[in-house]
Amino acid sequence: AQSVTQLGSHVSVSEGALVLLRCNYSSSVPPYLFWYVQYPNQGLQLLLKYTTGATLVKGINGFEAEFKKSETSFHLTKPSAHMSDAAEYFCAVKKDSSASKIIFGSGTRLSIRP
Amino acid sequence: NAGVTQTPKFQVLKTGQSMTLQCAQDMNHNSMYWYRQDPGMGLRLIYYSASEGTTDKGEVPNGYNVSRLNKREFSLRLESAAPSQTSVYFCASSERLAENSPLHFGNGTRLTVT
Repeated sequence: AQSVTQLGSHVSVSEGALVLLRCNYSSSVPPYLFWYVQYPNQGLQLLLKYTTGATLVKGINGFEAEFKKSETSFHLTKPSAHMSDAAEYFCAVKKDSSASKIIFGSGTRLSIRP
Repeated sequence: NAGVTQTPKFQVLKTGQSMTLQCAQDMNHNSMYWYRQDPGMGLRLIYYSASEGTTDKGEVPNGYNVSRLNKREFSLRLESAAPSQTSVYFCASSERLAENSPLHFGNGTRLTVT
């Protein structure tokens, strides 16, 4: 069965430090992968998506993610954290066109220390 | 550019009461979805509609019904609310039910059942 694991339900970094949010998936075939961000009292917004082609994907707000098939990972990074990055981040995987196969991770809450 | 609009934003129900959550999108998307979000569990799909005139069960459909009223609107009904349905409900839409079609979310309805 397909699944998504986000390591760390809460990550705290200092302003200006590297952000690394981890996502691993299990899938027998390369899936489509997404990162979403949720700010307080709002819905989820798409940060970036991997479909096919280049394994390094750039998203909005300076975030990027690298698809590593050998490690079944799709970690999210940002070189320098900003206070406005404080939010909850969800990794999601979709293997085929069935809507019921969109699997979301349990989320990682990112806090930024001044 | 409203995107996906959900009403109401907040609702408190007593056990056994019924209510309908409304959702409308103005992006001319074909597919629409209802999710519930519970702490530590990510998002779980309740029902979806691949296109106007069709609806299908997701991961957790019990206790809910849906109606795809037209291309724009997709409502979720709780016939007899239970405390286990206390959650934040999100409506989402996408261009189509394809692997790489990202979801666009509303801001959610926070429902408490006492």
